[in-house]
Amino acid sequence: DAGVTQSPTHLIKTRGQQVTLRCSPKSGHDTVSWYQQALGQGPQFIFQYYEEEERQRGNFPDRFSGHQFPNYSSELNVNALLLGDSALYLCASSLWGSGYTFGSGTRLTVV
Amino acid sequence: DAKTTQPTSMDCAEGRAANLPCNHSTISGNEYVYWYRQIHSQGPQYIIHGLKNNETNEMASLIITEDRKSSTLILPHATLRDTAVYYCIVSLYGNKLVFGAGTILRVKS
Repeated sequence: DAGVTQSPTHLIKTRGQQVTLRCSPKSGHDTVSWYQQALGQGPQFIFQYYEEEERQRGNFPDRFSGHQFPNYSSELNVNALLLGDSALYLCASSLWGSGYTFGSGTRLTVV
Repeated sequence: DAKTTQPTSMDCAEGRAANLPCNHSTISGNEYVYWYRQIHSQGPQYIIHGLKNNETNEMASLIITEDRKSSTLILPHATLRDTAVYYCIVSLYGNKLVFGAGTILRVKS
């Protein structure tokens, strides 16, 4: 049973560019959440998608947007990249109300 | 979401029980206590959660005080592979997880 799959695993972008990260949830899960983890810190909640709608959002600017598809997979888009956006981006899936399963993350480096 | 307080770091001898404390004095009646851990360069891993009663699974036990203001995660026989950052999180069921700094647990041989 595949867990949460994230792609790509590593990515290097230039300031001002746009990036799209992808997540496939664990089989049977219908809710996807995204987190940003800077080096040496705990993960910070970005937003959560359920039934293709954003249900909850953390304290992140509108440059961060997302989407959930009918097959429950999800994308995280970040526009106008800043150096400070360099981080590990984690996707977590759950069946609404249950415990979260995290992927291994996408390491984004902005230069 | 209620705030949690955990020690910055702890050491434990291999084979012994690791007891990780967490204070959550402002927890509300319908908030759960969740424990996750993160091994270097991996995503967080769910360990256990509970509301009022003590809970046990194949990984750990969770002891919640009667007033629910604190809890303890117990790893009964710690191994070197249990070295990780352990996060105690208080949240409504299904709600977002708010991670703090966690406790760095070092298991030593």
